[in-house]
Amino acid sequence: GESVGLHLPTLSVQEGDNSIINCAYSNSASDYFIWYKQESGKGPQFIIDIRSNMDKRQGQRVTVLLNKTVKHLSLQIAATQPGDSAVYFCAENAGGTSYGKLTFGQGTILTVHP
Amino acid sequence: KAGVTQTPRYLIKTRGQQVTLSCSPISGHRSVSWYQQTPGQGLQFLFEYFSETQRNKGNFPGRFSGRQFSNSRSEMNVSTLELGDSALYLCASMLEPSLYNEQFFGPGTRLTVL
Repeated sequence: GESVGLHLPTLSVQEGDNSIINCAYSNSASDYFIWYKQESGKGPQFIIDIRSNMDKRQGQRVTVLLNKTVKHLSLQIAATQPGDSAVYFCAENAGGTSYGKLTFGQGTILTVHP
Repeated sequence: KAGVTQTPRYLIKTRGQQVTLSCSPISGHRSVSWYQQTPGQGLQFLFEYFSETQRNKGNFPGRFSGRQFSNSRSEMNVSTLELGDSALYLCASMLEPSLYNEQFFGPGTRLTVL
């Protein structure tokens, strides 16, 4: 049968604004969460990670928040720049014997207008 | 340090053929994972190799197989290609299988099945 394409959520912001990208994860046993950025024609690039025993972690211009109660992850990008335009994925790792296995969310398209 | 390299970058095959994709991990990395990325299903885990052994496998038919060599380079093979196998195939390497180790992705091989 015909496959239905994923309709990725989109977020459109102005340069200099703050961006918030959300992700709902599926496995309550997941121990490790990562945000990736994927630009056109490239593989996913690591942005920031967070362990399940934390609820917030900050990097350069980025902050990740983890709410295990509702299985929700968010990525905040401060002072968004045109170079931040890309597809953003959250990924979870359940740990155990599955260290090399990441489960990805559907992705969010971020467009930054100059 | 060179990143993850994948060859070829683009490939066109016809239904029924088979294909082999190659991945060279970052020097010193011993774990290699493969993912399939399609508009319909997003990013999905195929399998992971460490020390020439498959550690984890995703939910893909037996037509998808892989292997890892003693130098950590990995190949994946898809036999009896179907139209639905058209996708971006991504390889990721990790120092060793550990929960908090970062996975570094290559640029991918774009496979088109006609």
